[in-house]
Amino acid sequence: SQTIHQWPATLVQPVGSPLSLECTVEGTSNPNLYWYRQAAGRGLQLLFYSVGIGQISSEVPQNLSASRPQDRQFILSSKKLLLSDSGFYLCAWSVGAGSGNTIYFGEGSWLTVV
Amino acid sequence: GEDVEQSLFLSVREGDSSVINCTYTDSSSTYLYWYKQEPGAGLQLLTYIFSNMDMKQDQRLTVLLNKKDKHLSLRIADTQTGDSAIYFCAEENQAGTALIFGKGTTLSVSS
Repeated sequence: SQTIHQWPATLVQPVGSPLSLECTVEGTSNPNLYWYRQAAGRGLQLLFYSVGIGQISSEVPQNLSASRPQDRQFILSSKKLLLSDSGFYLCAWSVGAGSGNTIYFGEGSWLTVV
Repeated sequence: GEDVEQSLFLSVREGDSSVINCTYTDSSSTYLYWYKQEPGAGLQLLTYIFSNMDMKQDQRLTVLLNKKDKHLSLRIADTQTGDSAIYFCAEENQAGTALIFGKGTTLSVSS
């Protein structure tokens, strides 16, 4: 069966420090991978998605970047965190492309920028 | 662009039915989804409905889809305290490569 892992689960970082959140999927090949952010009162916002290694689409301009160095690995990064980057970050995956993708989520990473 | 709207809060008594409503904008979305998020956890897929259907029932859950009005609802029968969570409605983006979520409806169930 397929599983998704993301870490760390919680993170407290000072403003201006770098960030790296990692996500890996097991039990499937060539998944679509996603990073969503859930900020208080703003629901779930799609940040990045990837349909293959090295292929990253960014949905909103921001202080963050994403990379997919391996088929089942997705990394969310920042060189200098802002207070507004605080939130709950969710990695997710789906199979195939086109309509009908069910997305499966990891357990999330809480980021607090202080 | 795509947009999904849903009310933010719903409060019900244990044993009553809950109805969570959602409107969406992209009529080309082939599937529409309901996800559940318990406190501090990721999202779990609850159910989904194919856009050519107008109703889907799964145990205590009933999904109704009015494609003409772009309105989706989730009914939970005999609501239990364990159903307290945030419920997200989602549609597919136009490229069919990702899901666009609403802001979530917080369901509070009192005993």
